[in-house]
Amino acid sequence: GAGVSQTPSNKVTEKGKYVELRCDPISGHTALYWYRQSLGQGPEFLIYFQGTGAADDSGLPNDRFFAVRPEGSVSTLKIQRTERGDSAVYLCASSPSHGGKYEQYFGPGTRLTVT
Amino acid sequence: GEDVEQSLFLSVREGDSSVINCTYTDSSSTYLYWYKQEPGAGLQLLTYIFSNMDMKQDQRLTVLLNKKDKHLSLRIADTQTGDSAIYFCAESMGAGSQGNLIFGKGTKLSVKP
Repeated sequence: GAGVSQTPSNKVTEKGKYVELRCDPISGHTALYWYRQSLGQGPEFLIYFQGTGAADDSGLPNDRFFAVRPEGSVSTLKIQRTERGDSAVYLCASSPSHGGKYEQYFGPGTRLTVT
Repeated sequence: GEDVEQSLFLSVREGDSSVINCTYTDSSSTYLYWYKQEPGAGLQLLTYIFSNMDMKQDQRLTVLLNKKDKHLSLRIADTQTGDSAIYFCAESMGAGSQGNLIFGKGTKLSVKP
């Protein structure tokens, strides 16, 4: 079946602008995660959804970052007043279970460049 | 706080075995994972091990876990040029967690023909 998809694959924006990044998880996966990967680093956790609710948003760096998952499937990560330091690859992952093995399947990512 | 450490580079010859090492700090992690990332591609889950196991084998991959020393390793037998990639070790964030993962910085494996 289809894997996790993310759009756009690349996004270039000017400092101060607003951006939205979209994630389509694997069908039937109830858990959805957002991570951010800077150059030369491993992914860093941002936020986790179980169904429609944000179960853990402790990784969001500040209040410019917000994410939603209104129908428990597609999620959108929103960044306001973008800064150059927000440039990174934003990864989305989904998982079929909340408890247990937490096998997370990742999408290809959205590369965000803030100029 | 939680931390996952890996060596940054490993170079091997085609046909040799590769061993990628990782140390972690959260002793309550229930699962530990290995992911592979090829250039321009997303993270691919390779294998995982439950914390009450000390070894898991899956075809050419062998995972060893030393829980006392908080040390995890991934051995790739008969390494091929297609195995060239960055390998990430990850731990789940503590017992009873929601499965958020903490990743190391990744080990870049280069396989020379």
